[in-house]
Amino acid sequence: DAGVTQSPTHLIKTRGQQVTLRCSPKSGHDTVSWYQQALGQGPQFIFQYYEEEERQRGNFPDRFSGHQFPNYSSELNVNALLLGDSALYLCASSLGLPVNEQYFGPGTRLTVT
Amino acid sequence: GDSVTQMEGPVTLSEEAFLTINCTYTATGYPSLFWYVQYPGEGLQLLLKATKADDKGSNKGFEATYRKETTSFHLEKGSVQVSDSAVYFCALSDLNTGFQKLVFGTGTRLLVSP
Repeated sequence: DAGVTQSPTHLIKTRGQQVTLRCSPKSGHDTVSWYQQALGQGPQFIFQYYEEEERQRGNFPDRFSGHQFPNYSSELNVNALLLGDSALYLCASSLGLPVNEQYFGPGTRLTVT
Repeated sequence: GDSVTQMEGPVTLSEEAFLTINCTYTATGYPSLFWYVQYPGEGLQLLLKATKADDKGSNKGFEATYRKETTSFHLEKGSVQVSDSAVYFCALSDLNTGFQKLVFGTGTRLLVSP
């Protein structure tokens, strides 16, 4: 049973650039949530997708956007990258709403220089 | 808003010692509570959960009891192993307020020496 997968594993970008991160949910899951984990901190909720719609959003600027595809996979896009966007980006999947238990992928380490 | 407070680390123990990591929460509703573990270079793994007051979650020798009266969910293990060295995160999810997100504490690093 495939778990949550994310790509790429690591990414280095320059300030001002744009980045796209990808997530495939655990088999059978239809809800995807994205979190940002800065070094030494707990994950912070970015947004959640269900039925290809953004259902809930955390305190992140509009530079952070996302998409969910019909096969439930998801993308996280960040525009106009700032140094402070450097973090581990985690994708979590779950089944339906309301969400109770979320399963996390290994994350994508983004470094902005 | 909802929040989770964990004891600061690192917690340094010898193998076979007793472990307690404190976690308290603030929530407007009746949240579900979770402990996640993060091994070096990896994502988060769900360790255990409890969905209502007085529930005890347990897994791999770890236990935590949902205490509504003290708004706490402390993690315990009777005898730690070197392989338990990791960062532990306490989290809540308050479904009753309509929020679907997990709210995490800042994490507690556990270091177990042989």
